[in-house]
Amino acid sequence: AQSVTQLGSHVSVSEGALVLLRCNYSSSVPPYLFWYVQYPNQGLQLLLKYTSAATLVKGINGFEAEFKKSETSFHLTKPSAHMSDAAEYFCAVSDRRSGNTPLVFGKGTRLSVIA
Amino acid sequence: NAGVTQTPKFQVLKTGQSMTLQCAQDMNHNSMYWYRQDPGMGLRLIYYSASEGTTDKGEVPNGYNVSRLNKREFSLRLESAAPSQTSVYFCASSELTGAGELFFGEGSRLTVL
Repeated sequence: AQSVTQLGSHVSVSEGALVLLRCNYSSSVPPYLFWYVQYPNQGLQLLLKYTSAATLVKGINGFEAEFKKSETSFHLTKPSAHMSDAAEYFCAVSDRRSGNTPLVFGKGTRLSVIA
Repeated sequence: NAGVTQTPKFQVLKTGQSMTLQCAQDMNHNSMYWYRQDPGMGLRLIYYSASEGTTDKGEVPNGYNVSRLNKREFSLRLESAAPSQTSVYFCASSELTGAGELFFGEGSRLTVL
């Protein structure tokens, strides 16, 4: 079964610093990969997704992620953190080989931004 | 623009009571899902419905039942609630299962005493 591992349950950065949230997937075949964000007391919303087009995927709010097959990774980055980026971020995977397979989510990384 | 609507938003139950969480989407999506979110566990899939008339178990289906009432509505029922079912429940929908973007409701916070 597909799975994703998010390294670090909590990441803290200063405002203006680089944001790097790590995600590794387990599959021999590149899956569909997603990053979702959850603001307090809200549902999740899509930041970006990889579905086998460009390996560098740009999302909303200045975030981007790079698919690296050799490292089985899909890390999320943003050059300069803003206070409004404080939220929980989830990496998710779906197996493209199995047709209609629901997304499997990682355990999440809480991002804190310090002024 | 309603999107995905869940009711109720909050509920407190006693052990052994039953309840149904309701979910409706207005985006004409084929697939609908129920996830639960617990601290440190991320989101875990309870049940999903890839299309109207079908339902399938997810990772943690025990203690739950679902009904895909029509294309718009997908309900989650707890027949005999247990404290382990205290959680935040999210309904989501997508045009396709797997590759499509999930659209989430705002969540339903359930406490079982």
